[in-house]
Amino acid sequence: AQRVTQPEKLLSVFKGAPVELKCNYSYSGSPELFWYVQYSRQRLQLLLRHISRESIKGFTADLNKGETSFHLKKPFAQEEDSAMYYCALSGAVNTGFQKLVFGTGTRLLVSP
Amino acid sequence: NAGVMQNPRHLVRRRGQEARLRCSPMKGHSHVYWYRQLPEEGLKFMVYLQKENIIDESGMPKERFSAEFPKEGPSILRIQQVVRGDSAAYFCASSPRERGTEAFFGQGTRLTVV
Repeated sequence: AQRVTQPEKLLSVFKGAPVELKCNYSYSGSPELFWYVQYSRQRLQLLLRHISRESIKGFTADLNKGETSFHLKKPFAQEEDSAMYYCALSGAVNTGFQKLVFGTGTRLLVSP
Repeated sequence: NAGVMQNPRHLVRRRGQEARLRCSPMKGHSHVYWYRQLPEEGLKFMVYLQKENIIDESGMPKERFSAEFPKEGPSILRIQQVVRGDSAAYFCASSPRERGTEAFFGQGTRLTVV
């Protein structure tokens, strides 16, 4: 069964502190992993995907197949990073499994 | 391009009534996905449609729920005889290709059943 687990409902940090939002997954095969973000009163939007290997707004995420994890990290949090973050997975391009499976989300609160 | 538009943003229905949720995909997008988010849960896939076709409805409840994406007009998610357990946020996403992972999301419709 496909499953995404985000163990923290809320993560509260001070501005300038490092941030790590945890994500573990369960999938038989090679999934694609994503992080989505929803800022207050805005729509859900893609933040980054593991196949891109890029850094967006200072965030990075590395896929660890051994630990089945895809944690989201940022070395220095900013107040504007406060939002709801969702980890999600789907099947690889050639699997036909295209729907997204989401975790329950982690609310990141960055205080001044 | 205004993005994926969902309306209404908020919908209140009494138990037993029908709820109709609309989703207008982005211009040029012919693939639509519906997701439901129950309180304290993540978004869960419901149905994937292309114009005039249901491709994957594996996440749709067997009864009372239906979806369509006509040749003209928005995609409609219809819930008949709503119950309190249907209260949730319903999100629509659209994509230009058969890749739900490249989809753009609407702002959602929050359904409250009283």
